[in-house]
Amino acid sequence: EPEVTQTPSHQVTQMGQEVILRCVPISNHLYFYWYRQILGQKVEFLVSFYNNEISEKSEIFDDQFSVERPDGSNFTLKIRSTKLEDSAMYFCASSEGLAEDTQYFGPGTRLTVL
Amino acid sequence: AQSVTQPDIHITVSEGASLELRCNYSYGATPYLFWYVQSPGQGLQLLLKYFSGDTLVQGIKGFEAEFKRSQSSFNLRKPSVHWSDAAEYFCAVAPFSGGYNKLIFGAGTRLAVHP
Repeated sequence: EPEVTQTPSHQVTQMGQEVILRCVPISNHLYFYWYRQILGQKVEFLVSFYNNEISEKSEIFDDQFSVERPDGSNFTLKIRSTKLEDSAMYFCASSEGLAEDTQYFGPGTRLTVL
Repeated sequence: AQSVTQPDIHITVSEGASLELRCNYSYGATPYLFWYVQSPGQGLQLLLKYFSGDTLVQGIKGFEAEFKRSQSSFNLRKPSVHWSDAAEYFCAVAPFSGGYNKLIFGAGTRLAVHP
């Protein structure tokens, strides 16, 4: 069964450093998402992406964050200058379409900012 | 304010017992409704979803959920729990505003199953 994959599974970085989290969505999917879950808190929507542009973003997704689909298979989330509060599990998801189409989630990348 | 509420943070049941996990939402128009499950070290897996029609929906792993508009609820049920059902369960909504383009999650309910 096709699945969303994410790398790395765990990333440790120093405050102020840039990180790039990588995702490979399911191949025929057109919509891509990033969510995050701070330890002990809710899963929160960050951004959705379609047709090579952001279609919606949350208040969390400020100028420090960016997303890119650099090629036909990868979908990345970049945090330019990490802060302690960026420590969280980051989930990538993809869907074939909107609304009634299921969002399939990857296993997540745990980001630890020291 | 728009919200998704799962009032039970942690539930423990015995194997073979029935289960009901509660979910309430607060949105102007009925959103699309989902239940996801997360096992340790795994991503979120969709159990079932509701968009319209029959208010009782069947999902995978023997789960079902009932949409009650009058109560703004979408509770998840299983008649007989198995030890492998121990996991965290998330209710989520896709609001009409924004074109159902994102999922808003509840805080989750962690289920423990006693043998």
